Amino acid sequence: SQQGEEDPQALSIQEGENATMNCSYKTSINNLQWYRQNSGRGLVHLILIRSNEREKHSGRLRVTLDTSKKSSSLLITASRAADTASYFCAPTWGNTPLVFGKGTRLSVIA
Amino acid sequence: SAVISQKPSRDICQRGTSLTIQCQVDSQVTMMFWYRQQPGQSLTLIATANQGSEATYESGFVIDKFPISRPNLTFSTLTVSNMSPEDSSIYLCSVEGTGETEAFFGQGTRLTVV
Repeated sequence: SQQGEEDPQALSIQEGENATMNCSYKTSINNLQWYRQNSGRGLVHLILIRSNEREKHSGRLRVTLDTSKKSSSLLITASRAADTASYFCAPTWGNTPLVFGKGTRLSVIA
Repeated sequence: SAVISQKPSRDICQRGTSLTIQCQVDSQVTMMFWYRQQPGQSLTLIATANQGSEATYESGFVIDKFPISRPNLTFSTLTVSNMSPEDSSIYLCSVEGTGETEAFFGQGTRLTVV
């Protein structure tokens, strides 16, 4: 298993703005997953992007993956107060348990 | 998808006692995992719970401290034994969640040891 490193550690934006958070990792991957955690609750899966994909959308979420730079980004457009949460990436290789970094704490101010 | 019921949602326990956390899944799943999240930190994998065999523990976690049961494909328990204040954390179970599949999480157990 390998661990992703999210950046920035914390992000504060106004409602309606876009939020971008990044994930870097060190070795080859099969896919990369993004999760959201609200207030120390269970994580919720957002998007899985495979190593042969460069971009994926889901509603207001846009994820990119650059395997040459070993990095991914998560963009949340038109953010809402309800998007306030911690966001984690999980780069994966093979059929192994997910490993999480420290996450990005996003605060969306109404 | 899978829906997980995790109990208790929170507890305050005395030093030296034990707490058993339960996870019930609404479908049969092969892989179940237990994580710990210390205050302000990320999730750390404690162990993989295998049905019909002993759990596989990660480095730094031992069976005597964190015994796990997995009696069938829908249920698992994690016990935090002989607790100390350092065990105060959120404990989370998850299912599936390997490199090929998304993970589903319980709502977590917020444990405070006093």
